[in-house]
Amino acid sequence: DAGVIQSPRHEVTEMGQEVTLRCKPISGHDYLFWYRQTMMRGLELLIYFNNNVPIDDSGMPEDRFSAKMPNASFSTLKIQPSEPRDSAVYFCASTIKTSNEQFFGPGTRLTVL
Amino acid sequence: AQTVTQSQPEMSVQEAETVTLSCTYDTSESDYYLFWYKQPPSRQMILVIRQEAYKQQNATENRFSVNFQKAAKSFSLKISDSQLGDAAMYFCAYRSEGGSEKLVFGKGMKLTVNP
Repeated sequence: DAGVIQSPRHEVTEMGQEVTLRCKPISGHDYLFWYRQTMMRGLELLIYFNNNVPIDDSGMPEDRFSAKMPNASFSTLKIQPSEPRDSAVYFCASTIKTSNEQFFGPGTRLTVL
Repeated sequence: AQTVTQSQPEMSVQEAETVTLSCTYDTSESDYYLFWYKQPPSRQMILVIRQEAYKQQNATENRFSVNFQKAAKSFSLKISDSQLGDAAMYFCAYRSEGGSEKLVFGKGMKLTVNP
């Protein structure tokens, strides 16, 4: 299996622009997670889905962030409008209920100027 | 809410020596999982080892082993025969059993391995 796939790997944008991060989970996995990693706050969950349904979005910072999972093989995390404080590494991870391991993608490094 | 604390931001070890990374956590739950993840400079998150709270036996994976003290809410990672490739950030993480599927991470610890 190719593992969790994220795109782009790096994104540089200007404040106010819309940013869309993409994730393809491992085939057959029914849970998908979005995490954000910053120096100040470390790794924190933004949102997770089970069978394409959002279960916990309490970590989504504010209305500028939105996440969707239109089908079992694709999810997006959108930031509109982006701000410099959104600069971070965004990880997507997936798992299946019978597993205790979350498999992480390579992350997207976002820089908002 | 559960919290995970890694009090040592950095450590160093000589190649071939043993090092222990500490982690404490706070929870009111009785069933849960604990994990150690490694993040090398490539930033890929790699699972090193996991422990189920209901198991009294400490988990081991080759050169990696844990000391799980449930009553003390302590979960340390021991790396034996340290290798240069062990240099990375290490994160301790907690996950509920039967509740939320999310991982709660500690702030991480940077391990340097000196040749």
